[in-house]
Amino acid sequence: DVKVTQSSRYLVKRTGEKVFLECVQDMDHENMFWYRQDPGLGLRLIYFSYDVKMKEKGDIPEGYSVSREKKERFSLILESASTNQTSMYLCASSFGHNNYGYTFGSGTRLTVV
Amino acid sequence: GENVGLHLPTLSVQEGDNSIINCAYSNSASDYFIWYKQESGKGPQFIIDIRSNMDKRQGQRVTVLLNKTVKHLSLQIAATQPGDSAVYFCAESYTGGFKTIFGAGTRLFVKA
Repeated sequence: DVKVTQSSRYLVKRTGEKVFLECVQDMDHENMFWYRQDPGLGLRLIYFSYDVKMKEKGDIPEGYSVSREKKERFSLILESASTNQTSMYLCASSFGHNNYGYTFGSGTRLTVV
Repeated sequence: GENVGLHLPTLSVQEGDNSIINCAYSNSASDYFIWYKQESGKGPQFIIDIRSNMDKRQGQRVTVLLNKTVKHLSLQIAATQPGDSAVYFCAESYTGGFKTIFGAGTRLFVKA
């Protein structure tokens, strides 16, 4: 069964901490994405990557960075966590140039206190 | 996630009835459309897709209809079951693009 695996289901971090969210896919997909999901705001794209070491800003990149050193792994970094980054974070991957559906991970519920 | 779906449009149907979930998409250049299902505490799951050269596509108990004239997409679920209770998202994208646009979602409640 193909999978996108996010390393943590729940995280609690303190304001100002550096936070790493890890995502691994086993489908040899070129594209990987990080979204956050908030009530009333839907899915918002933070960053995406269409190849190893490539990254592109999404709609809300401020306060975040990403790393893709290997094709299967896409990390989201919160340089200095703030309370307004409390959210559900979803990683996804897809094949080809966006004409295929996404496979999502189960999500990481991050709470910043 | 457990809080996704607050303030969402809601559809309530009786178990065994058919459900129809509607979506208006925004970009007339979009040529690929997907429906996702998100159960509480889980990530969205791909259900069915359709490309713009088709008007209708059927899966197991699900049918997607595409009306490009009015930029409308619908998901029909036959014989709705309690396990169908979830938030359903439509999504659109276009050839050569890298971004998918997700709709706000509709929460489906199935009454036993």
